[in-house]
Amino acid sequence: QVQLQESGPGLVKPSETLSLTCAVSGYSISSGYYWGWIRQPPGKGLEWIGSIYHSGTTYYNPSLKSRVTISVDKSKNQFSLKLSSVTAADSAVYYCARRGGFGDYVFDYWGQGTLVTVSS
Amino acid sequence: EIVLTQSPDFQSVTPKEKVTITCRASQSIGSSLHWYQQKPDQSPKLLIKYASQSISGVPSRFSGSGSGTDFTLTINSLEAEDAATYYCHQSSSLNTFGQGTKLEIK
Repeated sequence: QVQLQESGPGLVKPSETLSLTCAVSGYSISSGYYWGWIRQPPGKGLEWIGSIYHSGTTYYNPSLKSRVTISVDKSKNQFSLKLSSVTAADSAVYYCARRGGFGDYVFDYWGQGTLVTVSS
Repeated sequence: EIVLTQSPDFQSVTPKEKVTITCRASQSIGSSLHWYQQKPDQSPKLLIKYASQSISGVPSRFSGSGSGTDFTLTINSLEAEDAATYYCHQSSSLNTFGQGTKLEIK
């Protein structure tokens, strides 16, 4: 059974960089699939942030692209998100998720989510 | 960017009722439209993929239809446990989600 677990600081100061990690168990990232980040501001809808393949190929939401970096650490079977120059608008629950294989482009496994608040 | 617009934003329904939620895409996305259910304080759960394909473990009362720009999620004989927010998601061009439809059970 594939499991994903987000971790990272729950509080980040404005203008700083938000950093989160998603640990994957039950599946080797090196075996394939895309791995992504999705966020949800309190009481609002879902927003895709970006996705990464085990090779390092990335795709980002154009509205966040200038501030986002997603990387993968195959040795630790985890992938990470960095979002720079954060503001209060970046406060949200951040989910990591697995995107299905070729031709199956759905988010089929999700982490439980981690709340990040941007505040001084 | 492909924009997905769901309707309604909110619906209050009684058990055993039939519910229809629609999702309209700003441009044609073929059948690359998926539906998720999110209950309070939980992660989204995949319900339907590629407009109408069922997902193992999801009750058969959930079904989907549509192609191009107009899609529908139908819940037949609604149960109390179906109280949740439902999101559509397109994977035709990067990824975007609809704004969500909150379903309240009377």
